[in-house]
Amino acid sequence: DTGVSQNPRHKITKRGQNVTFRCDPISEHNRLYWYRQTLGQGPEFLTYFQNEAQLEKSRLLSDRFSAERPKGSFSTLEIQRTEQGDSAMYLCASSRPGTNNSPLHFGNGTRLTVT
Amino acid sequence: SQKIEQNSEALNIQEGKTATLTCNYTNYSPAYLQWYRQDPGRGPVFLLLIRENEKEKRKERLKVTFDTTLKQSLFHITASQPADSATYLCALDTLNDYKLSFGAGTTVTVRA
Repeated sequence: DTGVSQNPRHKITKRGQNVTFRCDPISEHNRLYWYRQTLGQGPEFLTYFQNEAQLEKSRLLSDRFSAERPKGSFSTLEIQRTEQGDSAMYLCASSRPGTNNSPLHFGNGTRLTVT
Repeated sequence: SQKIEQNSEALNIQEGKTATLTCNYTNYSPAYLQWYRQDPGRGPVFLLLIRENEKEKRKERLKVTFDTTLKQSLFHITASQPADSATYLCALDTLNDYKLSFGAGTTVTVRA
């Protein structure tokens, strides 16, 4: 179990630029989640994949956000035309197949700062 | 609307004492509740899961209770140590069992 890996750890970008983050989940986990966390708040659900299928996307997610999980392995989260309000920690998590209520295994996040 | 509320104030306690954190929820009917620990700049780490039909769960110095009538969970850290200093998050399932909703967390500082 090598853990969930996220890259980059930090990203500073100017407003209007596009950014892409990568998540490598634990290899035997088929469920993958993206969450966003701002200071003093808990993680907020963004989207969920089971294998390569994106099964849900939060209404909070504008159409500037897109996530993919090709071949059911790693995932990318892209934010187009970034805004200052996008500044946050973006967390990826994965969980085991087969059982409901499986705990989430989180990566250490990508901290995005939009200037 | 749905709400998950944790202690609004940070908790400062003396080493060796018991820390008690609360998680209250409104307009949820969770089948289970999870507690996570988060250190600064890191992702949350799973600690304990308790199901709706379980009153209490223990793991080492941690104890969680779940009262579906009061819509509340209590999280206890007994014989606290400075290494227990962190933010603790509670999380509930929603209608879709794969998606968790998190509270804002309670920050605990244990003084030596």
